[in-house]
Amino acid sequence: GESVGLHLPTLSVQEGDNSIINCAYSNSASDYFIWYKQESGKGPQFIIDIRSNMDKRQGQRVTVLLNKTVKHLSLQIAATQPGDSAVYFCAENTNNQGGKLIFGQGTELSVKP
Amino acid sequence: NAGVTQTPKFRVLKTGQSMTLLCAQDMNHEYMYWYRQDPGMGLRLIHYSVGEGTTAKGEVPDGYNVSRLKKQNFLLGLESAAPSQTSVYFCASRTGGYSNQPQHFGDGTRLSIL
Repeated sequence: GESVGLHLPTLSVQEGDNSIINCAYSNSASDYFIWYKQESGKGPQFIIDIRSNMDKRQGQRVTVLLNKTVKHLSLQIAATQPGDSAVYFCAENTNNQGGKLIFGQGTELSVKP
Repeated sequence: NAGVTQTPKFRVLKTGQSMTLLCAQDMNHEYMYWYRQDPGMGLRLIHYSVGEGTTAKGEVPDGYNVSRLKKQNFLLGLESAAPSQTSVYFCASRTGGYSNQPQHFGDGTRLSIL
């Protein structure tokens, strides 16, 4: 069935370290992927996206890597800060149902000062 | 620029009551979505709309109805609330077409059905 899953449900890092959050997706037809950050009591906030014709995209302190061969996504956060503490979701756009996003379970990132 | 605004933010209902959740976006987006988020799970699509006057079912539509009478508003209705509909409801919007643009989310409506 459809699924986008995360390997690690929780991740604890030291402030200043780099964080890596992983995601596996199952739909090889998906052509667009998004990482969202969700803080407590808030809606998902867009972080970065990547199209399937790319294998890497960089933003401010964040990098997304896409490996289509093994259907794997990762989000790298450089110099992790306490404000990065949140739940991170990967989502894939299937181009079905108006561009429905399939979300993973989420990874909770905890940054220790 | 408010983005996506959802009202109310919280609500408690009794089984069998009805209510409507309102979503408003000021980004002139064509596409709008309603998702539900349950503990330990990602978001699941309830209904969506690809333009004013159009609606379609998502993956978990049972027990819900929607309307998109104006481009900026997308309403989600519960005709007869059930405890299984206790959840956090998120609305999202994006530009239309297959432009691979991200969906932008509101901050949710937390709904409890007793």
